[in-house]
Amino acid sequence: DIVLTQSPGTLSLSPGERATLSCRASQSGNDNYLAWYQQKPGQAPRLLIYGASTRATGIPDRFSGSGSGTDFTLTISRLEPEDSAVYYCQQYDNSHRALSFGGGTKVEIK
Amino acid sequence: QVQLQVSGPGLVRPSQTLSLTCTLSGGSISSAGYYWSWIRQYPGKGLEWIGYIYYSGKPNYSQSLKSRATISVDTSKNQFSLKLTSVTAADTAVYFCARGYYDRWNTEPTDSGMDVWGQGTTVTVSS
Repeated sequence: DIVLTQSPGTLSLSPGERATLSCRASQSGNDNYLAWYQQKPGQAPRLLIYGASTRATGIPDRFSGSGSGTDFTLTISRLEPEDSAVYYCQQYDNSHRALSFGGGTKVEIK
Repeated sequence: QVQLQVSGPGLVRPSQTLSLTCTLSGGSISSAGYYWSWIRQYPGKGLEWIGYIYYSGKPNYSQSLKSRATISVDTSKNQFSLKLTSVTAADTAVYFCARGYYDRWNTEPTDSGMDVWGQGTTVTVSS
């Protein structure tokens, strides 16, 4: 199965700063099948980005996704206090018909 | 508005079978173009995919849980279910259900992610 490695583990930034989160796959999966989710404490994950770079419905444009192959990035251009959360990447491995999640990056707002 | 609601016992005894149901409202579970998935999250940890099913297809499971997990769909009740046998304390987690987009022609998930999630339910395995 594809293993997704996210870095850094924790990111501590101030409001208005730019956050760059990385997701690296152990092998290339289905083209640009890479999704990003935001999860706040006590809540279910929320889909932010799919197809590596397409924002889901209602997601602010300060969230953007990029990358292809095995290296993907989620960028939050201007951090807001409500962006404090854990962010997960997720991919589909068509050779094993399996989904997988990365270990998550915690974004803390100072 | 499409919603998913997880239900099931919050406490399961070791070696028993964990059974959860996810009920869809605001849509049909037999709609073409969607798959239905189970995901769990250990306390304070990341997300682990368990398996997914298309309403008229065979389920697919995580390799690590394949021998113990069964996912099924009941279209008459607009529900899908998870059964996990021979549970241990290591199965204590929050269990989520979710909807993803399915490509019927290639019989696999599309790249559109999982956009609707149930609220999650905490299952504790303890005697």
